[in-house]
Amino acid sequence: SQTIHQWPATLVQPVGSPLSLECTVEGTSNPNLYWYRQAAGRGLQLLFYSVGIGQISSEVPQNLSASRPQDRQFILSSKKLLLSDSGFYLCAEQTTRETEAFFGQGTRLTVV
Amino acid sequence: AQSVTQLDSQVPVFEEAPVELRCNYSSSVSVYLFWYVQYPNQGLQLLLKYLSGSTLVESINGFEAEFNKSQTSFHLRKPSVHISDTAEYFCAVSPWRGGLIFGTGTRLQVFP
Repeated sequence: SQTIHQWPATLVQPVGSPLSLECTVEGTSNPNLYWYRQAAGRGLQLLFYSVGIGQISSEVPQNLSASRPQDRQFILSSKKLLLSDSGFYLCAEQTTRETEAFFGQGTRLTVV
Repeated sequence: AQSVTQLDSQVPVFEEAPVELRCNYSSSVSVYLFWYVQYPNQGLQLLLKYLSGSTLVESINGFEAEFNKSQTSFHLRKPSVHISDTAEYFCAVSPWRGGLIFGTGTRLQVFP
């Protein structure tokens, strides 16, 4: 089965600093990849998804961006972090809408 | 548009008691429904899913959920919970583009 690697596990960043979270996938080729955010007291919100290299779709306008430089690599970035960017970020792979989504262990981001 | 509502943010229950976690969905097209479980500071794991066929689906650890089209519900049940079932549970639907639309989650707290 697929394995989703995310790092770092935890991150504390000052307001206004840049961000780069990386997600890599093993065990499948040409995966559909997703970034979700889980804010305190709220459910998971889909931020971005990608069906292939260089193909990014954004679900909600925000201070973040995503890139897919390689087939199995998905990166979440920000040029200047806001306090509201704090949360638990999860990368996931889901082959089709009927299949199980596989999640990474997540990155807990605290913006101070 | 599709959406998911989990009415209970927290459900406290004693060990060996039965539990029901409620989920209602909204969709104008055929739905694929999922329950995921999240243990503290971890990613999500699939518990069970409904795609078609039998409306009652079961997981390997004793949970079951019933798809009710007329009531647009997919409630999760377990006849006897264990301490180890303490976690957050998310109901989700899968829209046409793939990915998942999650409810806000229900925290199940099992007490000895």
